[in-house]
Amino acid sequence: SAVISQKPSRDICQRGTSLTIQCQVDSQVTMMFWYRQQPGQSLTLIATANQGSEATYESGFVIDKFPISRPNLTFSTLTVSNMSPEDSSIYLCSVVRGADEQFFGPGTRLTVL
Amino acid sequence: QKEVEQNSGPLSVPEGAIASLNCTYSDRGSQSFFWYRQYSGKSPELIMSIYSNGDKEDGRFTAQLNKASQYVSLLIRDSQPSDSATYLCAVRPNQAGTALIFGKGTTLSVSS
Repeated sequence: SAVISQKPSRDICQRGTSLTIQCQVDSQVTMMFWYRQQPGQSLTLIATANQGSEATYESGFVIDKFPISRPNLTFSTLTVSNMSPEDSSIYLCSVVRGADEQFFGPGTRLTVL
Repeated sequence: QKEVEQNSGPLSVPEGAIASLNCTYSDRGSQSFFWYRQYSGKSPELIMSIYSNGDKEDGRFTAQLNKASQYVSLLIRDSQPSDSATYLCAVRPNQAGTALIFGKGTTLSVSS
């Protein structure tokens, strides 16, 4: 498996502000993804974090709202910008290890008031 | 639009029974299939992966794959109350380096 940590584990933020979530992996990984899980829902892919280049966003997600950095093969950040209550979700970092298996970090629980 | 479908449940079984969880997927070219368990308030935990048609067993868990029918299932034998969780089916589309697509999950409740 993989040891993945995320910071912060949870936060309560005011609308209009931004929050940056950090994801740290215990060793180098090629593939890293960011997902969102809204209350009572399944996981939705936000973007693929590419090392050394711009992230690849899924339909419905844009860089201005969810800027992502990936400066090296063990670290990435996701920023949720200009937040609204609809952004209240769990944000999950995920990596591929071994042949094909994908593992998740513990998640960041965000509440926007 | 590639989709993964699951019955949301809840699926209720008594302790000791077999729980059967099902999943269908739309992308016929998919090659990798996974089951995750998610306890309330926790992140998904990988419990099974399967790549070939047939059965794959790991302890009390058996994953079954039928690519012709585009169907994946998970059997949990001797179900325990600790198995009560949401089970997510995930499929990797037939493109290298792509992320998993998840179903909405099936909630399993095992009563003692």
